[in-house]
Amino acid sequence: AQTVTQSQPEMSVQEAETVTLSCTYDTSENNYYLFWYKQPPSRQMILVIRQEAYKQQNATENRFSVNFQKAAKSFSLKISDSQLGDTAMYFCAFMNLLGNQFYFGTGTSLTVIP
Amino acid sequence: NAGVTQTPKFQVLKTGQSMTLQCAQDMNHEYMSWYRQDPGMGLRLIHYSVGAGITDQGEVPNGYNVSRSTTEDFPLRLLSAAPSQTSVYFCASSYLGQPWVSAFFGQGTRLTVV
Repeated sequence: AQTVTQSQPEMSVQEAETVTLSCTYDTSENNYYLFWYKQPPSRQMILVIRQEAYKQQNATENRFSVNFQKAAKSFSLKISDSQLGDTAMYFCAFMNLLGNQFYFGTGTSLTVIP
Repeated sequence: NAGVTQTPKFQVLKTGQSMTLQCAQDMNHEYMSWYRQDPGMGLRLIHYSVGAGITDQGEVPNGYNVSRSTTEDFPLRLLSAAPSQTSVYFCASSYLGQPWVSAFFGQGTRLTVV
């Protein structure tokens, strides 16, 4: 079974600064998908960014970018110009190629300080 | 609006009672799944289905039953509620064969068993 590890239970960052959330995973598969989800206090799971393992280029979505290191099985999320609305729980997730296996990390609680 | 609809949003049960959490999606997704979210443990897969009439167990299936009689609906049944089942439950759906689309999540059900 795949495992996803987020070693930072809590983090904080000053507004407008940059923060990086860590994620490592374990899999024997060569092709797969990785995701970061944001969960604000509303509980809604919101997709932040997605990375296909067969793509070498790191994904970017506005202020959010990833550092995908396939050999190291590492998938970190960088949030630039942090905003108060970024305060949330962030989950790293792994999905197999078929899409019927979906594993989550334990989450990182991020607080943006004004 | 298209998406995943979960009901109820909140529920309090007494130990030993049974209930069904409802989940419906209108996107014709083949894959549907149920997760529970507990503090410090992320989301853990309870049961999943890859199509009508097909279900399988996830990581924490004990105490839960599912069925998939239609593509749209995937109810989760608690046969005899226990305090250990106090949690937040999420239903999710996605396309098989197009997992890069990622999963759509319901808004969650907060269940308390007293």
